[in-house]
Amino acid sequence: DARVTQTPRHKVTEMGQEVTMRCQPILGHNTVFWYRQTMMQGLELLAYFRNRAPLDDSGMPKDRFSAEMPDATLATLKIQPSEPRDSAVYFCASGASGTGVETQYFGPGTRLLVL
Amino acid sequence: QQQVKQSPQSLIVQKGGISIINCAYENTAFDYFPWYQQFPGKGPALLIAIRPDVSEKKEGRFTISFNKSAKQFSLHIMDSQPGDSATYFCAASIGGYQKVTFGTGTKLQVIP
Repeated sequence: DARVTQTPRHKVTEMGQEVTMRCQPILGHNTVFWYRQTMMQGLELLAYFRNRAPLDDSGMPKDRFSAEMPDATLATLKIQPSEPRDSAVYFCASGASGTGVETQYFGPGTRLLVL
Repeated sequence: QQQVKQSPQSLIVQKGGISIINCAYENTAFDYFPWYQQFPGKGPALLIAIRPDVSEKKEGRFTISFNKSAKQFSLHIMDSQPGDSATYFCAASIGGYQKVTFGTGTKLQVIP
């Protein structure tokens, strides 16, 4: 049963610390999305990649957030320095662009709390 | 601004009833309209999706109705069950795997 995995599932940190979230997309998927979910803002697209190349990161605060795909099996989202307003659930999703099937498969999320 | 407006914010329906969630969009370039279902503590999962070349799509108890001229689409859940209790998000994108804009979500509670 192929699924997107995310680590860690929960993270509590103090303001100013670096936070790294990892995502393993479904094997063979070439498109990866990072979303942030809060009660106030709902689901926001932060960035997405196709074939490991960043296509759009306009939803991401550039001064503190960065997203990368070191290889096809790993996507990372970093926050440095973290702030209390970054507290949210961060979802990674993957999909197989070009196959005619446009489903995005979401991971279970990383619940981040910045104190 | 590429917005998708969703209503209602919350919905309580009795078991066996029909749940209806509505969405409206502004950007006429949108050509893919998925609905996602999210249970507490889980990531959203695709429920059903439609393209603007059809006015209705049905999968089991779930139906999307699409009105291109009004720029509106809705999700109907027939014979609603307690297991359908979840948050539902409509969404829209241009070209499927491009940037997806989500609605604000509807928390559905189906009571026995």
